[in-house]
Amino acid sequence: KQEVTQIPAALSVPEGENLVLNCSFTDSAIYNLQWFRQDPGKGLTSLLLIQSSQREQTSGRLNASLDKSSGRSTLYIAASQPGDSATYLCAVGEGLTGGGNKLTFGTGTQLKVEL
Amino acid sequence: GAGVSQSPRYKVAKRGQDVALRCDPISGHVSLFWYQQALGQGPEFLTYFQNEAQLDKSGLPSDRFFAERPEGSVSTLKIQRTQQEDSAVYLCASSLFGLAGVGYEQYFGPGTRLTVT
Repeated sequence: KQEVTQIPAALSVPEGENLVLNCSFTDSAIYNLQWFRQDPGKGLTSLLLIQSSQREQTSGRLNASLDKSSGRSTLYIAASQPGDSATYLCAVGEGLTGGGNKLTFGTGTQLKVEL
Repeated sequence: GAGVSQSPRYKVAKRGQDVALRCDPISGHVSLFWYQQALGQGPEFLTYFQNEAQLDKSGLPSDRFFAERPEGSVSTLKIQRTQQEDSAVYLCASSLFGLAGVGYEQYFGPGTRLTVT
């Protein structure tokens, strides 16, 4: 059974700092990996999707890498801002019978960026 | 266009009541997923539809949980005889395709927070 772990569970940083969130998974037979942010009481906002054949994806101040063989992904946030404060979730996509893929999530990293 | 919508946003049920949660996926999306998120945890997969066909329901926690998508668009998750452990946020997601061997991006709705008293 796939297990996804995120470290650290919580992180507090001053505004402007660059930071790295870590995600590891136990079964490398994945289709893709998706990073989400979740604001309190809200749904999930997709940040980046990395297909299993890719090594990294970038969007603005965000960069995500994937090392499928070692079961690791990192999310790099440059020049953090208070608006980045949220819980960040990592999810790996695995195949389902008949097609499609389900996501298996980690428990998240709760980020607080302070002024 | 509009994203994934869910209703109601909040539901309080007394133990033993039946509830129905609705999901409107993004128009044209073939795949639809239901996830359950307990407090402080990541979402957990419940069930998957490709058009109107329910292809996987391995994550449904008991036979009190039932999901349908009769016309391949709107989906309803029904929970019979609710219990306190059913209290959670129920998230719906959709993706454009559902081909075997390919992972497509999933887009999530805001969720329904169910509280069973």
